[in-house]
Amino acid sequence: DGGITQSPKYLFRKEGQNVTLSCEQNLNHDAMYWYRQDPGQGLRLIYYSQIVNDFQKGDIAEGYSVSREKKESFPLTVTSAQKNPTAFYLCASSVFGAGGVNEQYFGPGTRLTVT
Amino acid sequence: AQSVTQPDIHITVSEGASLELRCNYSYGATPYLFWYVQSPGQGLQLLLKYFSGDTLVQGIKGFEAEFKRSQSSFNLRKPSVHWSDAAEYFCAVVGGGDDKIIFGKGTRLHILP
Repeated sequence: DGGITQSPKYLFRKEGQNVTLSCEQNLNHDAMYWYRQDPGQGLRLIYYSQIVNDFQKGDIAEGYSVSREKKESFPLTVTSAQKNPTAFYLCASSVFGAGGVNEQYFGPGTRLTVT
Repeated sequence: AQSVTQPDIHITVSEGASLELRCNYSYGATPYLFWYVQSPGQGLQLLLKYFSGDTLVQGIKGFEAEFKRSQSSFNLRKPSVHWSDAAEYFCAVVGGGDDKIIFGKGTRLHILP
């Protein structure tokens, strides 16, 4: 079955440590996205990538970094510079540039807790 | 700038009752609109989408939404809710360039038995 995989489901880290969240898709989608979700805040875009080896900052990119070395993979690193890293992180993907607007498909999310 | 407003943070309805979740958007041109649903601790699932054409859109799980340009609204409806519909619902509009999607802050639906 095609879909988006995020691992792990739950992640715990000590303050001051960098942590990398995994996102893999086998939908052959061009575009991938990372969102952060906090209670009552909706979804806020961190980074997105429309093509391999290229990515753009979203609305809240400070303290995060990404890479897009392969079409199917878009890992997110939460660095020690992120002041409030505890949140639920969602990865999504979509077809891009196909002559129309396409919906995003979401992974199951990773809940990161930093203490 | 494009934006989406979901006026109701929480809504409670009895099982079997009808449901309407409100969504208002701000967008200069013809909007591309979505409704997503999220169960606790899970990712988002697309319920339905509007790009053009018929303003009444049918989705999965018995949901429908109506696009009303004059009211800048895209309300979600279901004639009879089931306990399994308890979840958080997000309205979204394409905006901000590069086909990025802007999400509302969500409406949490509670179902009374």
